Amino acid sequence: GIQVEQSPPDLILQEGANSTLRCNFSDSVNNLQWFHQNPWGQLINLFYIPSGTKQNGRLSATTVATERYSLLYISSSQTTDSGVYFCAVIYNQGGKLIFGQGTELSVKP
Amino acid sequence: GAVVSQHPSWVICKSGTSVKIECRSLDFQATTMFWYRQFPKQSLMLMATSNEGSKATYEQGVEKDKFLINHASLTLSTLTVTSAHPEDSSFYICSAREYGTYGYTFGSGTRLTVV
Repeated sequence: GIQVEQSPPDLILQEGANSTLRCNFSDSVNNLQWFHQNPWGQLINLFYIPSGTKQNGRLSATTVATERYSLLYISSSQTTDSGVYFCAVIYNQGGKLIFGQGTELSVKP
Repeated sequence: GAVVSQHPSWVICKSGTSVKIECRSLDFQATTMFWYRQFPKQSLMLMATSNEGSKATYEQGVEKDKFLINHASLTLSTLTVTSAHPEDSSFYICSAREYGTYGYTFGSGTRLTVV
């Protein structure tokens, strides 16, 4: 099956710093999404981004589908950005979302 | 925006009993719902996909007789963990997809502890 790999697995930042999270996938996909899971377990959709670049406030994402990777940029990080960031790809059949292993981000004040 | 309600948010049950978890789409019709399990510090693992009015499709390695899924209406899917054992303790999350979109909305999850 398709493989979704995220890096780094863990990241500690000082408040105000910038960071880049990476997601590689092993096969062509219909699209890709980025999620944030807060410490209470709630998953929030950040971006639906099959290709190109999108921005939402301090967050932006870029997917290069032909090279099978996506990047999530977090600028001027805040403590509320802490949590786990997942990328997930949609498998063609049935629209199943397959998740990467996540990047656990901790932003220190 | 789309909202998915999942209940209960946490449950403790005795070994050997059954537990039912509900997942409701509140403001849209979800033709497809997905059930995930997440162990501590791990990713979400897809357990099964359910479509309204038909039998659920289970992922390899997931026991369909143990994890009963019912998707009786366009807004409700339930997961029943039967004869629960301590190793079934986990965080269970449902997700609903609105018909004709790639929008996935997740419930807030259910933390199951089997003692």
